[in-house]
Amino acid sequence: QKEVEQNSGPLSVPEGAIASLNCTYSDRGSQSFFWYRQYSGKSPELIMFIYSNGDKEDGRFTAQLNKASQYVSLLIRDSQPSDSATYLCAVNKGAAGNKLTFGGGTRVLVKP
Amino acid sequence: DAMVIQNPRYQVTQFGKPVTLSCSQTLNHNVMYWYQQKSSQAPKLLFHYYDKDFNNEADTPDNFQSRRPNTSFCFLDIRSPGLGDAAMYLCATSSEGSDQPQHFGDGTRLSIL
Repeated sequence: QKEVEQNSGPLSVPEGAIASLNCTYSDRGSQSFFWYRQYSGKSPELIMFIYSNGDKEDGRFTAQLNKASQYVSLLIRDSQPSDSATYLCAVNKGAAGNKLTFGGGTRVLVKP
Repeated sequence: DAMVIQNPRYQVTQFGKPVTLSCSQTLNHNVMYWYQQKSSQAPKLLFHYYDKDFNNEADTPDNFQSRRPNTSFCFLDIRSPGLGDAAMYLCATSSEGSDQPQHFGDGTRLSIL
């Protein structure tokens, strides 16, 4: 079992729809969770981070964390073609300082 | 703007010829990281510095070395690059603390001839 798992996709969504991305993690002691967006050939760009159970909203993005079920999700509302990218889920397990464990990423394609 | 800067953006080297990639930051973060990312894969942590304290990942080949002469700069040295070392190399920085996000530079794309 991988430490951080994501569906590789591609997740195809029509423009204007909601894209829903999921991430599960194996270490129950994980403390911090980050979503990065990565365009092809570019470096990861931080979108959101979440530490507490529940929802956290920032513009068109909502992160959801459920520590009991060990999953974190990212919702992208009103998806735009510019949202087409790979979304990386990263988990900080806490015990290892600042180290992040990345999932393999979910590729999202927003079709006009 | 405070940022993480990597040079060069593209580097071509010959098989076995040493190469150095550089990273600088104006964020004044005390933690700096080097990742290797191959196509369609997640970034793989090679090592990181907590101030001057070097932390190597157990599976990082000896071929990869790093230097951090001061807070702002960090270097990745590949002593004898092989074809399998062709990848994007990403530098990231963060403040101390498990709740602190990492901020990435634009990366250096390394090609091996």
